[in-house]
Amino acid sequence: ETGVTQTPRHLVMGMTNKKSLKCEQHLGHNAMYWYKQSAKKPLELMFVYNFKEQTENNSVPSRFSPECPNSSHLFLHLHTLQPEDSALYLCASSQPSGTSGGPGELFFGEGSRLTVL
Amino acid sequence: AQSVSQHNHHVILSEAASLELGCNYSYGGTVNLFWYVQYPGQHLQLLLKYFSGDPLVKGIKGFEAEFIKSKFSFNLRKPSVQWSDTAEYFCAVKDTGRRALTFGSGTRLQVQP
Repeated sequence: ETGVTQTPRHLVMGMTNKKSLKCEQHLGHNAMYWYKQSAKKPLELMFVYNFKEQTENNSVPSRFSPECPNSSHLFLHLHTLQPEDSALYLCASSQPSGTSGGPGELFFGEGSRLTVL
Repeated sequence: AQSVSQHNHHVILSEAASLELGCNYSYGGTVNLFWYVQYPGQHLQLLLKYFSGDPLVKGIKGFEAEFIKSKFSFNLRKPSVQWSDTAEYFCAVKDTGRRALTFGSGTRLQVQP
């Protein structure tokens, strides 16, 4: 149990489908993140939310649309994806600097494995 | 922009061998440094971290890392690996003023019994 729960764990979708990934953190954190993990590549930061406000968008294509309704929930809406978007999508959360867990330490979920056909 | 290099992509060791995984980062300002581990089928979890003070930091499961500022390095070490250390190891850097971490591409460690 990581304190960060991601659903679904596996998702297969066609290029014309619309689906969403969900992340929920039970740690009382106020920052949430989406990362993309592809084989043999560094984890790629996609989005950062701090107190529900988006603070970073790492030039992510608009076919990925994040939503953060509150500090505990984060969504990634997927639309018209490409096969190269197939990857493991990781959600993480963190506390501000100086609080428990230390400045910047991220707590990760187990990820959603996405396959785009 | 910050970048993180992990030089070893795949390392194979026998049990009881010593381990050293390299990590270098590019940005020269004040940074926080992390090593994360991902066991097969599990989530990324923190192994150890450096914020300030003693550049030799100790983490869980007998791992340690040394921050060498002049070399922009934060190498991970373990004197004697076990089969259960088989996993992927990620180095990450946090720049001051930024919330997110920049990760390296990871090193897959395979420990043979």
